[in-house]
Amino acid sequence: SYVLTQPPSVSVAPGETARITCGGDAIETRSVHWYQQKPGQAPVLVIYYESDRPSGIPERYSGSNSGTTATLTISGVEAGDEADYYCQVLDVGGDPLYVFGSGTRVTVL
Amino acid sequence: EVQLLESGGGLVQPGGSLRLSCAASGFTFKNYIMTWVRQVPGKGLEWVSSIRGSGDTTYYAASVKGRFTISRDNAKNTLFFQMDNLRVEDTAIYFCARVVGATTGRFDYWGQGTLLAVSS
Repeated sequence: SYVLTQPPSVSVAPGETARITCGGDAIETRSVHWYQQKPGQAPVLVIYYESDRPSGIPERYSGSNSGTTATLTISGVEAGDEADYYCQVLDVGGDPLYVFGSGTRVTVL
Repeated sequence: EVQLLESGGGLVQPGGSLRLSCAASGFTFKNYIMTWVRQVPGKGLEWVSSIRGSGDTTYYAASVKGRFTISRDNAKNTLFFQMDNLRVEDTAIYFCARVVGATTGRFDYWGQGTLLAVSS
């Protein structure tokens, strides 16, 4: 099965840039999606196809994907960005079919 | 406005059964793959099952295959999840989500989740 690896936690000061990585074999060949989940809430899609943003997601959220690492970048971090972030890919023919990373807790200092 | 509303969660004994529902509105339900994702409180997200728009093709994670059955009623815009032979480790919040992109698969809308607790 395909595995996505994320760091458990990232800490960042307000106004700084948070970078959350998602590692996987040849991940650059896959479409990577990112979700934000705040306590007690459902996940929210924040980035899809590596770098596209759904409507309503601030431009501060961006993504990239190269080699074996996809990255979610949050620029000008705000207190409201504190949440868990998950990367996800579709693994056609794999089990599981849809794969999530283990999640990264972003803490705003 | 797209809305997904799960229901049916509760407390069940090991070996028991439960059926979850997800009522969809605000989009043409039959045109979308739908999925169930679960989350043990305090832990990460786990995909468990998906179903194509027509209902003719289903997918399951190994952890639930043979015990859980996903289905849908396109006339009633409702997704179902029949869970049999429940185990303690099935305890989780179950989210339904809409899938966009048959070959890239992102979950663009999620319900608020319903909690299943399996305990004696």
